[in-house]
Order: sequence, then structure tokens, then C-alpha cells
Amino acid sequence: DIQMTQSPASLSASLGETVTIECLASEDIYSNLAWYQQKPGKSPQLLIYDASSLQDGVPSRFSGSESGTQYSLEINSLQSEDAATYFCQQHHDYPPTFGGGTKLELK
Amino acid sequence: EVQLVESGGGLVQPGRSLKLSCLASGFTFSNYGMNWIRQAPGKGLEWVASISSSSSYIYYADTVKGRFTISRDNAKNTLYLQMTSLRSEDTALYYCARLGELRRVRGWFAYWGQGTLVTVSS
Repeated sequence: DIQMTQSPASLSASLGETVTIECLASEDIYSNLAWYQQKPGKSPQLLIYDASSLQDGVPSRFSGSESGTQYSLEINSLQSEDAATYFCQQHHDYPPTFGGGTKLELK
Repeated sequence: EVQLVESGGGLVQPGRSLKLSCLASGFTFSNYGMNWIRQAPGKGLEWVASISSSSSYIYYADTVKGRFTISRDNAKNTLYLQMTSLRSEDTALYYCARLGELRRVRGWFAYWGQGTLVTVSS
């Protein structure tokens, strides 16, 4: 199985700041990576697929990038509604696997 | 509007069975692969099973293989998960999720239901 190592496990940032969350794949996943946002008590929502494609309706302050097997989610100009847990997921091969999650807290 | 509504969760004793359903609307159900994904309380996401649009391809996580069966009824726009020999470690919120691309076998999970809670306890 492809392992997805996500970091950091948690972070705290202020409104208006920029944060970056990373996922390291255990092997090449050829940009087949998605990012999700999950707010407390809610189901996950797709933010980005194919490493950098923004899902319809997702604010442009969210962006995805890659460098080798390292994938990043950047959130610019943090808003209060961005407080959530974020997960990456590889969709290159079965079984689909998720990162452990990053809990983002707003100061 | 895409909607996925799960049902069938509840409290069940270890070793017993339970069948989950997911009623889909707002899209052509027969055109998309569907999945079950679970989340244990306070934990991360774990993919459970996938079924292609025509049921030709079915995949399971090793943790449920041989115990769970995924199926679909395209005439009823409904996805199912039959769970047998349930264990305490199967306790989780079970989500159904639709793939993002038409007639693909794997991919990203574009839409999720609200989940149905399965608790396995004596």
C-alpha cells in the first residue's frame, strides 16, 4: 500500500496568514492526489484533485502543488472559516490511502 | 444538487451483521463509481470499499475483505454495504462517497454523504 505521511499534525495561525500543509507519498503517485477539508461534525469536502486542480466553488486562496513525491496544500489569507482538519489522499492506486490529517486552529 | 444519504447504522453486538444503504440523487447514479469510507471516533479517514459504475470492478480494504460486501442497485440509485462478523474495531461513522469522474474505477471523492454511525459493542 502507498503510505501518505502528512505534516504537521496540527498548527495554529492567525487570520490573514499563509499556511502550508504537506503530504509525502511513499512512492510516485503521478500527481494523483486530492485534498479535503473537514469541519467538526461535518463530512469531508473536496478542495483539490490531481494535485493542483481546484474543485468548483472552492475559494482561490486554496492551492496545491507538488515536488517529486512531496505534495503541498497552501492556504493564503486565512479566514476564520478555514479552521478545520485537512486530509490528503492518493488516488493513484488501490487501496486509496489518506494522510493522518492536519488540524488547523485559528488564533 | 448531488445528495448522498446514508442509513442503516446503529448499535450491534460483536459478530452480528448490519446493512448500510446510501440513496443518491442529483446525478446519473449509474455513471459513477461509488465508495464507502469510514472514520472511527476522533480518528482519520479509512477507505473501506469501492464499486465501479456497472459493478464490474469491486475492491475492499484488507481490514474488511471477506466480511463486508459492497453492492449497488442502479435502478434504485442506491449503494449498499453488507457488514458481517462485526468487530469492535469496525465502530465508525460510515460515509458513502462518489468519485469525481464519469465511469472511472478510481479517483478522488468529489461528494460525500453525512455518514451513518455504526457502533459494535456488547
